[in-house]
Amino acid sequence: SQQGEEDPQALSIQEGENATMNCSYKTSINNLQWYRQNSGRGLVHLILIRSNEREKHSGRLRVTLDTSKKSSSLLITASRAADTASYFCATDAKGFQKLVFGTGTRLLVSP
Amino acid sequence: EAEVAQSPRYKITEKSQAVAFWCDPISGHATLYWYRQILGQGPELLVQFQDESVVDDSQLPKDRFSAERLKGVDSTLKIQPAELGDSAMYLCASSPTSVHNEQFFGPGTRLTVL
Repeated sequence: SQQGEEDPQALSIQEGENATMNCSYKTSINNLQWYRQNSGRGLVHLILIRSNEREKHSGRLRVTLDTSKKSSSLLITASRAADTASYFCATDAKGFQKLVFGTGTRLLVSP
Repeated sequence: EAEVAQSPRYKITEKSQAVAFWCDPISGHATLYWYRQILGQGPELLVQFQDESVVDDSQLPKDRFSAERLKGVDSTLKIQPAELGDSAMYLCASSPTSVHNEQFFGPGTRLTVL
């Protein structure tokens, strides 16, 4: 079974609004990563947050990590139609020796 | 900007036929991954190579799937015979090291088995 579960499964917003998606995982991690996948394409790495970090920013992206709750959130501010994609969290879990991807959140940003 | 190349982009085959996918990682990347992604789900690792050696193939259905990276550069994933349940996106990714930091993905091969 997959390590991460994203919530919500689907999210629909208007351009300019913020989008927040959450990821929960099951075991201790070395790091957690977020990837974006446009329809029918490969994944693109967005941001990595290590287990000893609590928050990280990259442009319009803000990621938080709460290791006590085994959860992470990805916030996209001032969303654009081009942000329409699926977003996956991936955990480098201790003892797994590989990245394990979650089920993804499908984001639709309408003009 | 360097990219991971995959071919073909799309493949339609009939069940019981053999199919093969090719991946050329970013130059200098020692670690190569093959993932399978079923529609609506996240990618699942099939096999990981470090140079030419298999590091993890625990999720590879070895009765019908095989993967090789003979010279530690490009890689081939083969399915023989294909089954209906193999219909999925097959993604290749590479990274400079085996430390699980950023992975660079190719565009994928969409396989449809009829």
